[in-house]
Amino acid sequence: DQQVKQNSPSLSVQEGRISILNCDYTNSMFDYFLWYKKYPAEGPTFLISISSIKDKNEDGRFTVFLNKSAKHLSLHIVPSQPGDSAVYFCAASADFGNEKLTFGTGTRLTIIP
Amino acid sequence: GAGVSQTPSNKVTEKGKYVELRCDPISGHTALYWYRQSLGQGPEFLIYFQGTGAADDSGLPNDRFFAVRPEGSVSTLKIQRTERGDSAVYLCASSSITLSGRGSPDTQYFGPGTRLTVL
Repeated sequence: DQQVKQNSPSLSVQEGRISILNCDYTNSMFDYFLWYKKYPAEGPTFLISISSIKDKNEDGRFTVFLNKSAKHLSLHIVPSQPGDSAVYFCAASADFGNEKLTFGTGTRLTIIP
Repeated sequence: GAGVSQTPSNKVTEKGKYVELRCDPISGHTALYWYRQSLGQGPEFLIYFQGTGAADDSGLPNDRFFAVRPEGSVSTLKIQRTERGDSAVYLCASSSITLSGRGSPDTQYFGPGTRLTVL
């Protein structure tokens, strides 16, 4: 059972426009959510996170929104830049005493110059 | 400073063989995680170490998989009697500390992975 879902396998956005990546989860025990970015042949790189006590977290061009009632989060990138082209993974963790991450299947973002 | 390193970067083996994959975490990081990423999927949790002990090995798929971290630093993931379905990228991550309560978990830093191909 996929507890973290990214239903869009790919997304193309024009440079300078906003990129919106979506993620849904089913496990009510998740209380911390993260976005990782992955380039080919590299490991995932942490991008931004949000605790369940918040509904928004912003870091430069990146903003993550959390809607707990809908069990939905999204990552907004604005303005989008060519270097943002990568695979983005949504991940979640629960307070079980360790921080093991449950990942979605990823969304491949392509920024069109 | 140096990030998480993993060796080898690629490993090709034959079905039934034994393999070892190594992870060198960031110096001083007490928590170490192994994940497996199959084609078209996100990383899946395998095992978590806090110091030398395996705090959670619930993600190991079966008893052919085993991992150690004898001195609380380097970790080795061992796979016996490899099967074609074991082919994947094996990722290692480390973090500085794990909170037992709920604060902000420390960021997990990932290595580049070992691509294992079982023929």
